Amino acid sequence: AQKITQTQPGMFVQEKEAVTLDCTYDTSDPSYGLFWYKQPSSGEMIFLIYQGSYDQQNATEGRYSLNFQKARKSANLVISASQLGDSAMYFCAMREGNGGFKTIFGAGTRLFVKA
Amino acid sequence: NAGVTQTPKFRVLKTGQSMTLLCAQDMNHEYMYWYRQDPGMGLRLIHYSVGEGTTAKGEVPDGYNVSRLKKQNFLLGLESAAPSQTSVYFCASSYFATVQETQYFGPGTRLLVL
Repeated sequence: AQKITQTQPGMFVQEKEAVTLDCTYDTSDPSYGLFWYKQPSSGEMIFLIYQGSYDQQNATEGRYSLNFQKARKSANLVISASQLGDSAMYFCAMREGNGGFKTIFGAGTRLFVKA
Repeated sequence: NAGVTQTPKFRVLKTGQSMTLLCAQDMNHEYMYWYRQDPGMGLRLIHYSVGEGTTAKGEVPDGYNVSRLKKQNFLLGLESAAPSQTSVYFCASSYFATVQETQYFGPGTRLLVL
């Protein structure tokens, strides 16, 4: 069965430092996509980064990068040079190739950036 | 270009009352989705639509109905609200439903059922 696990309910990071948010997933489908979303206190869901199961390189988008370790089934989000505005809830999500229209979300990690 | 909008933003209902949440998108997306978000949990899919006039059940469809009479609108109905339906509801849309397709989310509707 599909499953996304985010084991860190909350994380603290000092401003300007890097932080890694963990995500592991479980699927038997060889074709899948992994997503990270940010949810600030205002509540909206903001797409950050995408990694496909067949992508050879780790995805990067500005200060966000995805540490994709396929054999370990992990897709950790790395935020470099943390900013106060990065304080938010972060969700890892997965969509399978033959999973229809279903996107499975993890429970989320709340990140606190300290000044 | 407003993207995905949701009305209302916040609503309080009494048990047994009914209401309809409206989602509208102006991106000409074929696929639309309704999710609910509860504390300590990620988003869970309630219902979805693959095009105008179509709807299908998601992971947690009980107690909800949906309609997609127009391509740009996706309505979520609660016929008889229950306290267990207290949640934040998100609508999303996407052009395709492929593995890599990003969903665009609305701002959410916070619903409290007393």
